[in-house]
Amino acid sequence: NAGVTQTPKFRILKIGQSMTLQCTQDMNHNYMYWYRQDPGMGLKLIYYSVGAGITDKGEVPNGYNVSRSTTEDFPLRLELAAPSQTSVYFCASSSTSGYGYTFGSGTRLTVV
Amino acid sequence: QKEVEQDPGPLSVPEGAIVSLNCTYSNSAFQYFMWYRQYSRKGPELLMYTYSSGNKEDGRFTAQVDKSSKYISLFIRDSQPSDSATYLCAMNSGNTGKLIFGQGTTLQVKP
Repeated sequence: NAGVTQTPKFRILKIGQSMTLQCTQDMNHNYMYWYRQDPGMGLKLIYYSVGAGITDKGEVPNGYNVSRSTTEDFPLRLELAAPSQTSVYFCASSSTSGYGYTFGSGTRLTVV
Repeated sequence: QKEVEQDPGPLSVPEGAIVSLNCTYSNSAFQYFMWYRQYSRKGPELLMYTYSSGNKEDGRFTAQVDKSSKYISLFIRDSQPSDSATYLCAMNSGNTGKLIFGQGTTLQVKP
């Protein structure tokens, strides 16, 4: 099983550019999440989804957008990239709302 | 006040030591409590989870939850250099799936 796959692994963006971070899971999980991790700051929830067609904001949604058209895919869109969005982004999925999250290996994004 | 507080460390111990990692939280609705281990430049991996209060043991690892004190702990016995990583506590209410993380504690086990 591939689990949760994130692409790309690394990316450098210029200020004002846009990009989409891809996330795909093959475990048929209903719940999917996007987190960002800044040094020494733990993980903060950006957006989450409880099923196809349903998304909701987390703690730090500003500057990001998501969509969930299928159970497998949960892309994260950055519009007008800013240096404050330099971070490591993790996608995760789970079959329940309580526990059992599986994380991807992350996308390391630098905005210059 | 943050919902989940965790001392970021770093914590350095000799091989074979008993390690104690802790988190406090403020939201009494939290029901699921987890510990994740994260190696450098990798994604977090689930180490232990506990539902509600009590203890859970898995090999050298023991997780404890004290809901009355809003305090959770992870103990690592006979620590090994391979245990060197960042340990993140995480918790949620189980209603929405939103997992709230602590800052993470960086642990180094020296041979």
